[in-house]
Amino acid sequence: GNSVTQMEGPVTLSEEAFLTINCTYTATGYPSLFWYVQYPGEGLQLLLKATKADDKGSNKGFEATYRKETTSFHLEKGSVQVSDSAVYFCALSARTTGNQFYFGTGTSLTVIP
Amino acid sequence: DSGVTQTPKHLITATGQRVTLRCSPRSGDLSVYWYQQSLDQGLQFLIQYYNGEERAKGNILERFSAQQFPDLHSELNLSSLELGDSALYFCASSVGQGAATGELFFGEGSRLTVL
Repeated sequence: GNSVTQMEGPVTLSEEAFLTINCTYTATGYPSLFWYVQYPGEGLQLLLKATKADDKGSNKGFEATYRKETTSFHLEKGSVQVSDSAVYFCALSARTTGNQFYFGTGTSLTVIP
Repeated sequence: DSGVTQTPKHLITATGQRVTLRCSPRSGDLSVYWYQQSLDQGLQFLIQYYNGEERAKGNILERFSAQQFPDLHSELNLSSLELGDSALYFCASSVGQGAATGELFFGEGSRLTVL
């Protein structure tokens, strides 16, 4: 079946540190991969996406590359800011399972000045 | 602002009671999804409707039910409430039946507290 596994949190970083949040997936067929972000008190919103192998999604300084060989979609940012403090969810959607979204458990990130 | 509206934002009720959560999707979106977010279980998919018809079911309890009306708004009914039902309930919408290359647009959630 389809599933997403992402690294456990919480993660605490100092401002300007490098961020990596690991995400691996299991899927039948060729899923699309997403990172969603949830800021405090808000709903989830799309951060970036990649729809095929080797695609790189990027937005607001965040990047993630769709790696089919390692079934991974790790989120990275070179220099985090306090405003990046949020919960990050990795997700996949696959046509073979009716395009349903499968979310990881979320990784909480706190950036301290 | 995602364009998805959920009411109420907060709700406190007692065990055994019944509540209804309401969701208005983004203008033009035909699919509505319901998710439950709790501290220990993350984001759990409950159910999806597309243009008034049920399309997919996830981990939805028998005590819970949902529907999508002709104007496309949706309601999630939770009955015989238990303490463990306390959670944040999100509604999301998308244009089509699924979103393999698209995205989900989430509301701000309805926080349910069962005492």
